[in-house]
Amino acid sequence: EAGVVQSPRYKIIEKKQPVAFWCNPISGHNTLYWYRQNLGQGPELLIRYENEEAVDDSQLPKDRFSAERLKGVDSTLKIQPAELGDSAVYLCASSLEVPSSGNTIYFGEGSWLTVV
Amino acid sequence: GDSVTQMEGPVTLSEEAFLTINCTYTATGYPSLFWYVQYPGEGLQLLLKATKADDKGSNKGFEATYRKETTSFHLEKGSVQVSDSAVYFCALSAVYGNKLVFGAGTILRVKS
Repeated sequence: EAGVVQSPRYKIIEKKQPVAFWCNPISGHNTLYWYRQNLGQGPELLIRYENEEAVDDSQLPKDRFSAERLKGVDSTLKIQPAELGDSAVYLCASSLEVPSSGNTIYFGEGSWLTVV
Repeated sequence: GDSVTQMEGPVTLSEEAFLTINCTYTATGYPSLFWYVQYPGEGLQLLLKATKADDKGSNKGFEATYRKETTSFHLEKGSVQVSDSAVYFCALSAVYGNKLVFGAGTILRVKS
């Protein structure tokens, strides 16, 4: 079974430029997450989708970040314009729909962003 | 809010040494608890989990027991190998939600 697929793996951009990350979750997983992991820290949730609905986006900086999950499968996370502090690893993850405790969340390899 | 606290690293051990990485949590109710591992250049992988008090999760020689009375989930391994060198993250999933809250991670370095 294929895991969570993300692209690009690595991206270097100049500040004020836009950038987009793409994620394909595990087949059948209706819940999709975007996490941000700063260097030396644990991942922090940016947004969670149940199918195509964003059910938790309280930590998403909405002035420059946007996300979408059309048709409830693939998702895109966009930053426009990027700032130096956005340099981080952006992790996509997915899990089965049932929001019970113990639900395993599977992560992709991450998109490593460097803003210069 | 929910939070996870891990022992600071890096932890440096010789091969075949005993490993303990401490993890404590704060949460409403009884969350599920997880250990994830991140090898260099790779994504997070689930190592083990426990969903209720006194449960023991185990995988690849690693173990952790859910201790409600001390709100802890310490990771242990009896004999580490060089290939265990990685960053280990403790995490919880609250009963009422469907997301993971992570600790800051602990770097483990095993020398041959």
